[in-house]
Amino acid sequence: GAVVSQHPSWVICKSGTSVKIECRSLDFQATTMFWYRQFPKQSLMLMATSNEGSKATYEQGVEKDKFLINHASLTLSTLTVTSAHPEDSSFYICSAHPGVGSDYEQYFGPGTRLTVT
Amino acid sequence: QKEVEQDPGPLSVPEGAIVSLNCTYSNSAFQYFMWYRQYSRKGPELLMYTYSSGNKEDGRFTAQVDKSSKYISLFIRDSQPSDSATYLCATAGTGFQKLVFGTGTRLLVSP
Repeated sequence: GAVVSQHPSWVICKSGTSVKIECRSLDFQATTMFWYRQFPKQSLMLMATSNEGSKATYEQGVEKDKFLINHASLTLSTLTVTSAHPEDSSFYICSAHPGVGSDYEQYFGPGTRLTVT
Repeated sequence: QKEVEQDPGPLSVPEGAIVSLNCTYSNSAFQYFMWYRQYSRKGPELLMYTYSSGNKEDGRFTAQVDKSSKYISLFIRDSQPSDSATYLCATAGTGFQKLVFGTGTRLLVSP
């Protein structure tokens, strides 16, 4: 099956620093990638949708200047949390849509746990 | 009102029990209905999907969609401790739209 990886799986950073999270589709090309945020015992909250080579579309309430998304190639998207603060601590998950096949298909990465101290 | 409602649980059952997980949704435009399983600190994995109304069976898992009542169900037969996880329902419209998730139900299967 389609595999999506994320790196790092866990990161601790100090308040005020920036953190970059990578999302890669390993065995398929992803025309669209999604970034989600998940708080403990809560569902996935879609943050933004990114298409290769174009600007990301952010969901209402998500600060685009704080959560920078780049989808530079068909296999890589990055999420940069700028000037991170403790309230940004969360589980960040990406998913990728292969661009072919069924409309619903998204393959999820294993997630990145961000802790801001 | 949330677009997709799901009881967060936890739902505790003994091994071998039949488990029923449910969601309701509000948008009649939804056509795809998915169930994802998520283990702690892992990404969701797709268990089953259904297009429009009907039933779908895969091993111990059966997914049902009733569009008339906007009700989605997942049944797990002969539940195992390894089934302990959070189960998320998700929906989407046609033409590739974003997935809308329920809050997830935490299932605990005790040996």
